[in-house]
Amino acid sequence: ELKVEQNPLFLSMQEGKNYTIYCNYSTTSDRLYWYRQDPGKSLESLFVLLSNGAVKQEGRLMASLDTKARLSTLHITAAVHDLSATYFCAVTLGGFGNEKLTFGTGTRLTIIP
Amino acid sequence: SAVISQKPSRDICQRGTSLTIQCQVDSQVTMMFWYRQQPGQSLTLIATANQGSEATYESGFVIDKFPISRPNLTFSTLTVSNMSPEDSSIYLCSAGPGATEAFFGQGTRLTVV
Repeated sequence: ELKVEQNPLFLSMQEGKNYTIYCNYSTTSDRLYWYRQDPGKSLESLFVLLSNGAVKQEGRLMASLDTKARLSTLHITAAVHDLSATYFCAVTLGGFGNEKLTFGTGTRLTIIP
Repeated sequence: SAVISQKPSRDICQRGTSLTIQCQVDSQVTMMFWYRQQPGQSLTLIATANQGSEATYESGFVIDKFPISRPNLTFSTLTVSNMSPEDSSIYLCSAGPGATEAFFGQGTRLTVV
């Protein structure tokens, strides 16, 4: 059974600081996803990581994947209030065309001015 | 990217009744997925909906409680049957037409009273 763990569960940080969210998964996977969810909203796709060593960046967010360690990180640089949200990683065992996802627990991020 | 339209966006229902949620994708996809997000929790997969065959349910979810239809490659419905307050959740449909992405509908916020 595929298990996906995220930590921390809650993160409160000051604007301008850097921090990292960690996502560990238990079984070799094809792809790893990062999503953002604002309160009461659906999921917004942030990154899809396809291979070992993959690194993607968008604004103040950077995601990386180490398939050997079964670990992905989401790094936040110089946080701003707009980044406050819940972040989920998700992993799939399905082949291409089968995006059946197992989600991590989520990290609720609060950026304090 | 794909556009996934889900409706209703929210509903308040009486216990013992049923609600059908619709999900429309703007392109053809082989598989569609239904997830449940209980308050303050992560997402859990309910079932995978394949066109032309029975849906595949995850452990803990049964067809009598969550019947699913998939009449064509762009549309699916999920029914929550004989509802109780424990069914109060956000229900989301997902599809990944690009084979390397998994997009989500806007979600249906269900409250059972």
